[in-house]
Amino acid sequence: DTAVSQTPKYLVTQMGNDKSIKCEQNLGHDTMYWYKQDSKKFLKIMFSYNNKELIINETVPNRFSPKSPDKAHLNLHINSLELGDSAVYFCASSQVGRSDTQYFGPGTRLTVL
Amino acid sequence: AQSVTQLDSHVSVSEGTPVLLRCNYSSSYSPSLFWYVQHPNKGLQLLLKYTSAATLVKGINGFEAEFKKSETSFHLTKPSAHMSDAAEYFCVVSEGYSSASKIIFGSGTRLSIRP
Repeated sequence: DTAVSQTPKYLVTQMGNDKSIKCEQNLGHDTMYWYKQDSKKFLKIMFSYNNKELIINETVPNRFSPKSPDKAHLNLHINSLELGDSAVYFCASSQVGRSDTQYFGPGTRLTVL
Repeated sequence: AQSVTQLDSHVSVSEGTPVLLRCNYSSSYSPSLFWYVQHPNKGLQLLLKYTSAATLVKGINGFEAEFKKSETSFHLTKPSAHMSDAAEYFCVVSEGYSSASKIIFGSGTRLSIRP
């Protein structure tokens, strides 16, 4: 009965590779997000999608490209991975108009070697 | 512009004693305020939220927070700490109720519980 799920949970890869992280929510929410949490636990929003439309696009390198095939999925594709991309990436979802409560996935720990 | 400041990066208390985690915010509008908890190697879980209803908000696991507009604060408290409360806590501010609402996380407070 997982509400927000992410795969994979751990991702270890070499610099320069391209990788994707998948996110799915079964809550019927219309908005999904990607966050990056650095080694100091600081959380920063990267993207927000509403009904498959990009709404928030913070200052993120264009090597990061979100893709939303439908309302329940928001995938994150990263090209040409760099050492500084190592972090934990969290997906979240919410329903607009319901006080913005966000439900978070378990996170994907990305390590770039 | 909105912002949120968690005044302590680390708080350590003894089991059974009160917990106070401090959060101050700034917002141009009437904000929604949240506290989330993150246990080691886990995702974030909502503890409680304030959305312009009662200023004293009760959450899960015995936590509560009081919205004080005059002090622009939303401190998190618990009367008696339990070992299982050891975690990272995030104060969050959000303006508006649209999909473009800005959501800002505080830098987090690590709560340690001494036996």
